[in-house]
Amino acid sequence: GNSVTQMEGPVTLSEEAFLTINCTYTATGYPSLFWYVQYPGEGLQLLLKATKADDKGSNKGFEATYRKETTSFHLEKGSVQVSDSAVYFCALSSTGNQFYFGTGTSLTVIP
Amino acid sequence: GAVVSQHPSWVICKSGTSVKIECRSLDFQATTMFWYRQFPKQSLMLMATSNEGSKATYEQGVEKDKFLINHASLTLSTLTVTSAHPEDSSFYICSARAPGQGVWEQYFGPGTRLTVT
Repeated sequence: GNSVTQMEGPVTLSEEAFLTINCTYTATGYPSLFWYVQYPGEGLQLLLKATKADDKGSNKGFEATYRKETTSFHLEKGSVQVSDSAVYFCALSSTGNQFYFGTGTSLTVIP
Repeated sequence: GAVVSQHPSWVICKSGTSVKIECRSLDFQATTMFWYRQFPKQSLMLMATSNEGSKATYEQGVEKDKFLINHASLTLSTLTVTSAHPEDSSFYICSARAPGQGVWEQYFGPGTRLTVT
């Protein structure tokens, strides 16, 4: 079946620190992979995506590479800001319609 | 970007009563809307998919008579939790998609926290 395992939080970092949030997946077929972000009081927003192996998704300084050999899609950012404080969700879709989400990782960045 | 709203943002109801949650696409027409629920420290689980003007498709294990979904217009879908019980307490999230868009082009509402006492 399809599932996503995401590192548990909460994660607290100082401003300008390096961020990694781990995500691994199990899927049938060849899924597309996503990272969503949820800021306080708002809905989930697509942060980045990758649709095939070795693709790198990037947006707002965040990056994630689709690694088929390790079934991973880890989220990274070289220098986090206070405004990056949010909950991050890893997700996959292999059928083109349904998402499978991870449990979410809360990130707090302190000045 | 596209905006999806939910109302109410939180609700408390007594066991045995029904509660309705609205999901609206504010600046686009959504032929497909999705309803998810999320328990604390767990992932979002898809409950049902609704297409405008037709019956919702429920995921396995979701009671369609308990979670009534109506998608009567291109901008509004409602989820009614009937005869609510404490175990129905959860965070309910909707998302909406315009026709012809890919799976990642779902726009999510901010969620509704339901507490059943």
